[in-house]
Amino acid sequence: GQNIDQPTEMTATEGAIVQINCTYQTSGFNGLFWYQQHAGEAPTFLSYNVLDGLEEKGRFSSFLSRSKGYSYLLLKELQMKDSASYLCAVMDSNYQLIWGAGTKLIIKP
Amino acid sequence: IAGITQAPTSQILAAGRRMTLRCTQDMRHNAMYWYRQDLGLGLRLIHYSNTAGTTGKGEVPDGYSVSRANTDDFPLTLASAVPSQTSVYFCASSDSTQNPTDTQYFGPGTRLTVL
Repeated sequence: GQNIDQPTEMTATEGAIVQINCTYQTSGFNGLFWYQQHAGEAPTFLSYNVLDGLEEKGRFSSFLSRSKGYSYLLLKELQMKDSASYLCAVMDSNYQLIWGAGTKLIIKP
Repeated sequence: IAGITQAPTSQILAAGRRMTLRCTQDMRHNAMYWYRQDLGLGLRLIHYSNTAGTTGKGEVPDGYSVSRANTDDFPLTLASAVPSQTSVYFCASSDSTQNPTDTQYFGPGTRLTVL
């Protein structure tokens, strides 16, 4: 079966760095996505990785290792507004997104 | 303002009733999707449409139907609602289903409670 695993909840301090991990097992791979979802709102796109390595976009970076079925999202200089759920999703061989349950990130002052 | 709208925002429905959730996008995207989001589970695809006039089944299609009469609208119908269909429903769209770099954009969601 297809499976996306990520931690349920993480806590970090304002100004710090946090890494959210995602491991996956899917039928085929057409890229890995990270979305941010604030409570009660729609998911919004953060990043897309299809090749191994690190993609940096401002305070957010995303890493992919296809051989290990592993990705992480790195958030630097945490701000209170970064408190949200972070969703990992993999596009399978049918071009459908398979979603993880999301990681709720709590930022403390 | 370009984007996706959904209606209603929330709804409480008696079991056995018929309900249509509306979704409209003005980005001229070819592909549209319906997901449900339940606590502790990832988003699950209900139905999708690659282009106007075509639809396909996702991971959890039972109890739901869709139509795509034009590019902009993609309504989701629950023919006879059951309590297990209590969920938050998100509509999304993208330029295509076959290009992974085409980002999916999400509507604000409909919170549905079936009693």
